Amino acid sequence: GQQLNQSPQSMFIQEGEDVSMNCTSSSIFNTWLWYKQDPGEGPVLLIALYKAGELTSNGRLTAQFGITRKDSFLNISASIPSDVGIYFCAGQLGVGNTPLVFGKGTRLSVIA
Amino acid sequence: SAVISQKPSRDICQRGTSLTIQCQVDSQVTMMFWYRQQPGQSLTLIATANQGSEATYESGFVIDKFPISRPNLTFSTLTVSNMSPEDSSIYLCSAWSPYSEAFFGQGTRLTVV
Repeated sequence: GQQLNQSPQSMFIQEGEDVSMNCTSSSIFNTWLWYKQDPGEGPVLLIALYKAGELTSNGRLTAQFGITRKDSFLNISASIPSDVGIYFCAGQLGVGNTPLVFGKGTRLSVIA
Repeated sequence: SAVISQKPSRDICQRGTSLTIQCQVDSQVTMMFWYRQQPGQSLTLIATANQGSEATYESGFVIDKFPISRPNLTFSTLTVSNMSPEDSSIYLCSAWSPYSEAFFGQGTRLTVV
């Protein structure tokens, strides 16, 4: 099946630092999504991207849909302790009602 | 935004038994999906729950092991049948409508002993 290559697998950063993570694929996706999962919870949508080259922000989060439609990155600026969690990229090959393909996740730890 | 209630949130089950997980959305949704998330891993799609017809299963998942129901546009169940320790995992319900991207329930953490 389709796979998304997400990196890094884990990160340990100091509070206040910026964070960057990315996903790549061999396939072209119509939509890229970024989710965050806290322990014991389901993933929560952070940002959705719909157009190649699109750059979208949500507070301290910024994500971009790669121009080739095969990659995306997520940046978190000025990290805080509540940013701790697992971040997943997800791609959608078809239209909106098709299921998502998920990356393996980036586990973020923030040291106060 | 719509909310999914999933239950049970966790359970410990004996091998050989079955567990049915319920997923209730507070509004009508077009699509519902079931995912499995093994410890420390990503989400893997089990099946798409189709309203009024048989679910569409992904490779490696079969109806006899994971029967799914979706009687209406707000509710679905996933049964994990004849469980073994390898079925220990988090099971997640997801929903999609034209008005929102896919959103998730809080998951069911299953431990099979």
